[in-house]
Amino acid sequence: ETGVTQTPRHLVMGMTNKKSLKCEQHLGHNAMYWYKQSAKKPLELMFVYNFKEQTENNSVPSRFSPECPNSSHLFLHLHTLQPEDSALYLCASSQDRSGNTIYFGEGSWLTVV
Amino acid sequence: GQNIDQPTEMTATEGAIVQINCTYQTSGFNGLFWYQQHAGEAPTFLSYNVLDGLEEKGRFSSFLSRSKGYSYLLLKELQMKDSASYLCAVRVYNAGNMLTFGGGTRLMVKP
Repeated sequence: ETGVTQTPRHLVMGMTNKKSLKCEQHLGHNAMYWYKQSAKKPLELMFVYNFKEQTENNSVPSRFSPECPNSSHLFLHLHTLQPEDSALYLCASSQDRSGNTIYFGEGSWLTVV
Repeated sequence: GQNIDQPTEMTATEGAIVQINCTYQTSGFNGLFWYQQHAGEAPTFLSYNVLDGLEEKGRFSSFLSRSKGYSYLLLKELQMKDSASYLCAVRVYNAGNMLTFGGGTRLMVKP
């Protein structure tokens, strides 16, 4: 139990579907992140939110849309994905962006068919 | 950008010692992290080095040489449960203090 909870743990969706991944952290942190982990590739940073404001968008396609309603919750809205988007999506949080240790959730396994 | 290299796979025997190396090329270095990730689970924080030298934490130690752009994670008295991927990550000032991860080293511990 890392204090960062992600749902759903597994998701299968068609290329025309709209779905969302949810992340909640119980650590009192102010920064939250979305990472993508594909097979045989390093973890890739997608988005960063600091005090609910998006501070990084790492050239992510617009079919991925993040939302951060408050410092404890982070969503990743998915729309018209491609099969190559199938991956493990990891949410993480840290005290703030100044460089503290980041803590990861268990991840959401996404399969696009 | 940052370039982080670590071996893809390693195998070691239960009870032995294994050293997992990580080399990096970056500017604005602001710390190096090691994470452990069991299959299907979240990466969990193991260690952090920002100054040269060795940081020891139980069976795990991490070493850093900033001048050489080099770190290693040392695992002693290996146990079967240490079979996992070990991720090296570098934090840099001029990337907003974000972490850039290496590809990870998959360690298999055999009886």
